[in-house]
Amino acid sequence: EDQVTQSPEALRLQEGESSSLNCSYTVSGLRGLFWYRQDPGKGPEFLFTLYSAGEEKEKERLKATLTKKESFLHITAPKPEDSATYLCAAVYNFNKFYFGSGTKLNVKP
Amino acid sequence: DGGITQSPKYLFRKEGQNVTLSCEQNLNHDAMYWYRQDPGQGLRLIYYSQIVNDFQKGDIAEGYSVSREKKESFPLTVTSAQKNPTAFYLCASSISMGDEQYFGPGTRLTVT
Repeated sequence: EDQVTQSPEALRLQEGESSSLNCSYTVSGLRGLFWYRQDPGKGPEFLFTLYSAGEEKEKERLKATLTKKESFLHITAPKPEDSATYLCAAVYNFNKFYFGSGTKLNVKP
Repeated sequence: DGGITQSPKYLFRKEGQNVTLSCEQNLNHDAMYWYRQDPGQGLRLIYYSQIVNDFQKGDIAEGYSVSREKKESFPLTVTSAQKNPTAFYLCASSISMGDEQYFGPGTRLTVT
């Protein structure tokens, strides 16, 4: 059973077209939810940690939110340099870590 | 500048040879991890270490081995027993288990 599911698999946006990426997770035992950005051929870059429902974190054009069953990464007025794969990960009791397979975002100028 | 380094960036080996991938961190983190990433797939955990001289198998440990003799270093050996070793290998560390992980730049291993 998948603990973390990301959607969509791929997303194409025009520059300036805001949208959201979704991360659904198994609720039982969740201790934390993480977002990462990964550029091609590079290691993931840590973006945000969320611990409880209702929590929000922001960084430039990105805002991460957490509800009781999913997390969203909102991208406001994206630019081409925001193109990357965005990974969601969840940590559960006993420190079990699960990564989603990512959403590949392509922002066209 | 604190961070995680992996070397080399690209590695080529012949089938049947063992190869060791380097991972060093100067973040003073206790926990370290090795992941494998294949095209179009998520990260899969190979091994992890919570503390020096201790490590545990992850989800896909067969054909791999590790050591953790120093806090800063967590090398991964890909042995000839690994059936499909060609992949992108990522090392990560965290303050302790369960905290956010910070990743190195990765090593792309090609075995022919």
